Amino acid sequence: EAQVTQNPRYLITVTGKKLTVTCSQNMNHEYMSWYRQDPGLGLRQIYYSMNVEVTDKGDVPEGYKVSRKEKRNFPLILESPSPNQTSLYFCASSATSSGELFFGEGSRLTVL
Amino acid sequence: KNQVEQSPQSLIILEGKNCTLQCNYTVSPFSNLRWYKQDTGRGPVSLTIMTFSENTKSNGRYTATLDADTKQSSLHITASQLSDSASYICVVKGALGGYQKVTFGTGTKLQVIP
Repeated sequence: EAQVTQNPRYLITVTGKKLTVTCSQNMNHEYMSWYRQDPGLGLRQIYYSMNVEVTDKGDVPEGYKVSRKEKRNFPLILESPSPNQTSLYFCASSATSSGELFFGEGSRLTVL
Repeated sequence: KNQVEQSPQSLIILEGKNCTLQCNYTVSPFSNLRWYKQDTGRGPVSLTIMTFSENTKSNGRYTATLDADTKQSSLHITASQLSDSASYICVVKGALGGYQKVTFGTGTKLQVIP
């Protein structure tokens, strides 16, 4: 089954404790991206990647890092989480630059 | 600045009734427009895609329209079902700037009640 898998789905952590949210897709898509979704603000792009070892900032990259060492994986790293990073995070992939976005099930992160 | 505005923010309708959701955008030049459905606690799923040359496209009980001149799109849901309760997000892709130039609306939250 074609899918985008995120882990963990739910996480409560404390300020400053580094964490990684993993994202993996099995559709051989070149394009992958991370979004955060907050009430009233909609989805906002954090980082995106157009291919292995090619990543770039989206609209809200501060406090986040990513890497793309393999085509299928695109982890999101929070080096020192802060409470304003409490949000619902989505990873997405697409086959082309204008193609349909396939989203993961989301990762709800709470930073205390 | 590219913007996508959706209305209404929320909507409650009776099961079996029709409804129309609106999307206005300022993204230019335009590449395509997609409507996504997001069930509570789930990731968005694409319903339809509209390109510049398309006026109307249907996907079962969902019909999307596009007026590229006025930069407006609508999503019409016919004979609503309880399973239509979800948020509907309008997403516009610009023709410049590559992959990252996708602008999301904040969504319309639809509740279908028995």
